[in-house]
Amino acid sequence: DAMVIQNPRYQVTQFGKPVTLSCSQTLNHNVMYWYQQKSSQAPKLLFHYYDKDFNNEADTPDNFQSRRPNTSFCFLDIRSPGLGDAAMYLCATRTSGYNEQFFGPGTRLTVL
Amino acid sequence: AQKITQTQPGMFVQEKEAVTLDCTYDTSDQSYGLFWYKQPSSGEMIFLIYQGSYDEQNATEGRYSLNFQKARKSANLVISASQLGDSAMYFCAMKSNFNKFYFGSGTKLNVKP
Repeated sequence: DAMVIQNPRYQVTQFGKPVTLSCSQTLNHNVMYWYQQKSSQAPKLLFHYYDKDFNNEADTPDNFQSRRPNTSFCFLDIRSPGLGDAAMYLCATRTSGYNEQFFGPGTRLTVL
Repeated sequence: AQKITQTQPGMFVQEKEAVTLDCTYDTSDQSYGLFWYKQPSSGEMIFLIYQGSYDEQNATEGRYSLNFQKARKSANLVISASQLGDSAMYFCAMKSNFNKFYFGSGTKLNVKP
């Protein structure tokens, strides 16, 4: 089935140790999103790609970076994770011209 | 600035009854979209229903309907005939002109047997 895949589902890292979360999609959607969702809070948009164009939210910390090497893959890099970065990270995709987002299952990040 | 407000942190409903989850929004965009998502405890976001700002009729999807009142900037979700499996977090969201989505703080719905 076509879908949005996030690996790993659970990630544990140490304070300050770089970590990369991955998202892949078989939907051939041109827009990809990364959200951060802390416990009992709303998902917060970090950034999105429209095709190859990267769009950063103004309040996304510099500690968060992203790469999209091709249509199918998108990565979230956290250069120096802090305790406050522990959260669920959700990837979503969409085709421009259509409204629905398709979400992956999320990666739950723990920072020790 | 775009803002989504959900004023009900938690709601209870008796199984088989209907429930309304409130959502108000603020935007200066002329064209926008409103969404409702369900998030069970497992964490995945499940799309429920969509309403475009120019749609004159309220959206319906099975047991879900969206009560869209544009002048009041509200987009309430109505779930009819609640089921135990409806217990989850529900998020209202808005898509802006710039491909961005903004989410409300969510309402936790508990369906009682």
